[in-house]
Amino acid sequence: KQEVTQIPAALSVPEGENLVLNCSFTDSAIYNLQWFRQDPGKGLTSLLLIQSSQREQTSGRLNASLDKSSGRSTLYIAASQPGDSATYLCAVGTSGSRLTFGEGTQLTVNP
Amino acid sequence: GAGVSQSPSNKVTEKGKDVELRCDPISGHTALYWYRQSLGQGLEFLIYFQGNSAPDKSGLPSDRFSAERTGGSVSTLTIQRTQQEDSAVYLCASSLFRSADSNYGYTFGSGTRLTVV
Repeated sequence: KQEVTQIPAALSVPEGENLVLNCSFTDSAIYNLQWFRQDPGKGLTSLLLIQSSQREQTSGRLNASLDKSSGRSTLYIAASQPGDSATYLCAVGTSGSRLTFGEGTQLTVNP
Repeated sequence: GAGVSQSPSNKVTEKGKDVELRCDPISGHTALYWYRQSLGQGLEFLIYFQGNSAPDKSGLPSDRFSAERTGGSVSTLTIQRTQQEDSAVYLCASSLFRSADSNYGYTFGSGTRLTVV
């Protein structure tokens, strides 16, 4: 059974800092990995999708990497801003197209 | 439509009543998913529809839960005889049909917050 773990569970940083969120998964037989953002009381917004054959994806200040063999992904946020404050969720796509989610990292960026 | 639309956005119901939650996926997306997010917990898979194939119902927590997808588009999740532990945010997502190493991600709706009192 696929299990996804995100570390840390919560993170508080001052504005402008670069930061890394970690995601690990137990079964390397994945199709893809996706990072989402969730704001309080809202749905999920897709940030980046990495296919199993890829090593990283970039969008603006965000960079996500994937090391399938070691079962790890990182989300790098450069020059963090207060508007980046949210919960960040990592999800792996496995057989049957099901997504298995981690429990998220709650990020607070302080002005 | 431009995104995944869910209704209602909020629902308060009395214990024992039935509720129906609706999801309208992105036009042309053949795959549709329901997830549940309980307070302080991660997202839990409920059910998956892909085209005309039989749905994957393996995540439904009990036989009080059922879902259907009419005409390969709109989906309804029904919870019968609601219990307080059913209180959660129910999220729907859709995606284009995918195969291994395809480039199709998942788009989520804003969810329905269900409160059973």
